[in-house]
Amino acid sequence: ETGVTQTPRHLVMGMTNKKSLKCEQHLGHNAMYWYKQSAKKPLELMFVYSLEERVENNSVPSRFSPECPNSSHLFLHLHTLQPEDSALYLCASSHQDRDSALYGYTFGSGTRLTVV
Amino acid sequence: GDSVTQMEGPVTLSEEAFLTINCTYTATGYPSLFWYVQYPGEGLQLLLKATKADDKGSNKGFEATYRKETTSFHLEKGSVQVSDSAVYFCALSVVTGGSYIPTFGRGTSLIVHP
Repeated sequence: ETGVTQTPRHLVMGMTNKKSLKCEQHLGHNAMYWYKQSAKKPLELMFVYSLEERVENNSVPSRFSPECPNSSHLFLHLHTLQPEDSALYLCASSHQDRDSALYGYTFGSGTRLTVV
Repeated sequence: GDSVTQMEGPVTLSEEAFLTINCTYTATGYPSLFWYVQYPGEGLQLLLKATKADDKGSNKGFEATYRKETTSFHLEKGSVQVSDSAVYFCALSVVTGGSYIPTFGRGTSLIVHP
């Protein structure tokens, strides 16, 4: 248990489905992130939420929609996905202040998504 | 921009062998350096870090020294175990002047045989 909990651990969905991934942290962190990890590819930062700003990777398709209702919870809403969206989706959190770069991230165990 | 370069592997070793995974970086500011480990079926875990030149990070028998002159942060372990089989990621975060979002390397897969 890392302190960042992701549910579900595994998800199989059809291309016409709508589903949501959930991430929860109780570490007192004030920033949360979604990453996509595909085989043979680098980690891809999808979205960042912090007290200061929301940062998006402009290459992320609109079929992925993040929601961060508070500093402890983060969602990734999925709709009309494609088979190439199959990947491990990782949530992470960290403490953001002027010394942010001194701290590491805490990652969840990920949601293994398969789009059929 | 900032970047991290590490060998992709896989690195294959026998148990009790010496491990080195190379990591070099380029950064626009003064970075903090990290190693993360990802065990099969899990997310990334912070393994160790160093925040200034000549610092040595260590954890679970792994070590890495922040070498500013060679812009490197190589990961070492004197005697690997089968349980060390995982993917290892080198990463940096810039302390000043840059984004607080870390830059990750592509990961190096380590396979340790009994």
